[in-house]
Amino acid sequence: NAGVTQTPKFRILKIGQSMTLQCTQDMNHNYMYWYRQDPGMGLKLIYYSVGAGITDKGEVPNGYNVSRSTTEDFPLRLELAAPSQTSVYFCASSYSRGLAVQETQYFGPGTRLLVL
Amino acid sequence: AQSVTQLGSHVSVSEGALVLLRCNYSSSVPPYLFWYVQYPNQGLQLLLKYTTGATLVKGINGFEAEFKKSETSFHLTKPSAHMSDAAEYFCAVSEGGSYIPTFGRGTSLIVHP
Repeated sequence: NAGVTQTPKFRILKIGQSMTLQCTQDMNHNYMYWYRQDPGMGLKLIYYSVGAGITDKGEVPNGYNVSRSTTEDFPLRLELAAPSQTSVYFCASSYSRGLAVQETQYFGPGTRLLVL
Repeated sequence: AQSVTQLGSHVSVSEGALVLLRCNYSSSVPPYLFWYVQYPNQGLQLLLKYTTGATLVKGINGFEAEFKKSETSFHLTKPSAHMSDAAEYFCAVSEGGSYIPTFGRGTSLIVHP
């Protein structure tokens, strides 16, 4: 298993440009997450999904959009890039049984985004 | 509501010394607790977790943590630090019925030769 893969690894965007960060997992996990990591701030949840066709906002969703058309893929879309979106983005997945507490999260290697 | 506090953004130890990284949590129901490690330019990976049962949890690379309900703590320890332990460590809590964990801000472990 490849686990959680993310592309690209690094990207420079100009203000106002748009892009999609790709995330794929091959573990048949039902839950998927997008986080951003800024120095000294830990991980902030942007969006999450509990299954194909279902997404919900996290703590910092403004300026981002997601979709979940398949179990494997959970792309993150930035429509109008702003310098405040300069960050490292991590995708994660986990498996949860019904209403049980979610189990271990598996993280991708991250995408470094610089908006100038 | 759940929350996590990691005491100390940076912890510095000498190689061979005891490692102690502190984590306190707040949860209205019995929590699941996690420690993750992040090596430079990599994603997070699980070190250990507490769900139910034995309160002393052993993880990878010689790390362990003890769940203390009375102190609402889940501190991470390792008897003898190695240079390869230098990394960022994150504590996380997930309440029963919640699938959205809350992460602490992280503690950077620095190991001196």
